[in-house]
Amino acid sequence: GAGVSQTPSNKVTEKGKYVELRCDPISGHTALYWYRQSLGQGPEFLIYFQGTGAADDSGLPNDRFFAVRPEGSVSTLKIQRTERGDSAVYLCASRFGQGVNSPLHFGNGTRLTVT
Amino acid sequence: AQTVTQSQPEMSVQEAETVTLSCTYDTSESDYYLFWYKQPPSRQMILVIRQEAYKQQNATENRFSVNFQKAAKSFSLKISDSQLGDAAMYFCAYGEGLGGGADGLTFGKGTHLIIQP
Repeated sequence: GAGVSQTPSNKVTEKGKYVELRCDPISGHTALYWYRQSLGQGPEFLIYFQGTGAADDSGLPNDRFFAVRPEGSVSTLKIQRTERGDSAVYLCASRFGQGVNSPLHFGNGTRLTVT
Repeated sequence: AQTVTQSQPEMSVQEAETVTLSCTYDTSESDYYLFWYKQPPSRQMILVIRQEAYKQQNATENRFSVNFQKAAKSFSLKISDSQLGDAAMYFCAYGEGLGGGADGLTFGKGTHLIIQP
């Protein structure tokens, strides 16, 4: 079976542009997470979905960042008016059900470079 | 807020030798989980081992084992018989209990493990 799929693998954009990053979780996984990993750092939590709703978006750095999961499966992370500081690897992870004891499955991430 | 500290930015070990990666964390909770993840150049985070805080017995997974010291808030990873394929970034992570909240993980900054042939 397929794992968590993230597209594109790499994205280069100019400062001020809008970008969308896509995550296709493992089929049947109800929980979906977005993390941001800056150079030389560990992943930092951005947002958590349980089904279609954002159960916790406390990690989103500002209102330029937004994420949706309209049908409870694929999720899109949207970044408006990109800044050079947004350059990072954006990781998506999914798990079945709730609870941290259910294993998280990560994708390979999207490397975003803002020039 | 919980914090996870990995004080070794880089570690090097000879193939077939044993290496220990350090991790400390700060929390006021009594129930939580601790994890070690491996991140190769492919960028995918791979779960190596996990430990439930309520369990006194240290977790083991083949060549990987942990030394969990709850009072000291320490959670080190020991890799025995190191192999070239173990070379990667290793991240220590903390997560809290069932349901509610983000159930997301708090990660350390990572340790780059180099395996010398």
